[in-house]
Amino acid sequence: NAGVTQTPKFQVLKTGQSMTLQCAQDMNHNSMYWYRQDPGMGLRLIYYSASEGTTDKGEVPNGYNVSRLNKREFSLRLESAAPSQTSVYFCASRRTEQYFGPGTRLTVT
Amino acid sequence: GQQVMQIPQYQHVQEGEDFTTYCNSSTTLSNIQWYKQRPGGHPVFLIQLVKSGEVKKQKRLTFQFGEAKKNSSLHITATQTTDVGTYFCADDRGSTLGRLYFGRGTQLTVWP
Repeated sequence: NAGVTQTPKFQVLKTGQSMTLQCAQDMNHNSMYWYRQDPGMGLRLIYYSASEGTTDKGEVPNGYNVSRLNKREFSLRLESAAPSQTSVYFCASRRTEQYFGPGTRLTVT
Repeated sequence: GQQVMQIPQYQHVQEGEDFTTYCNSSTTLSNIQWYKQRPGGHPVFLIQLVKSGEVKKQKRLTFQFGEAKKNSSLHITATQTTDVGTYFCADDRGSTLGRLYFGRGTQLTVWP
């Protein structure tokens, strides 16, 4: 089992560019999550999906969109990247405890 | 709304000293989970506490849930350099499908 996988691992964008972060899990979990992590700010929830077909906003959803493509995949889209979106992004899935992916380190210049 | 407050934000200890991080809430917590994130890594689940007054141990790590379920703690005895990282607590508010409510974490540095 690969667990939770994320692509890409690193990305540099220019302000205004768009991109999609991909996440997949092979544990048959219903719930999936997107977090961003900035120094001293802990883990902040962007969006989550409690089950296939549903998505809900977290603490910091502005500037992001998500798609729960199927039970395995949950993608995060930045439509027009801004320097404030420079961060490390983690995807996670959950049955009881959360399993995190390795993260995507995104820099927006 | 209910917030999970975690203290301290940073802790620096000499190797061999003990370390404790606290997770507090003004309202009753449901189920507390603890995670560890190594520098440059991703959070990894350590343990879940469910019952009031529960105490669980993992080698040098002791996890406690307060009697009133308003606080939890993680205590590390005789820290080692391998304990370096950020420790997070999280409350699931009783839902296995919903979100977890994370504290901001305690970043532990261990000096050799």
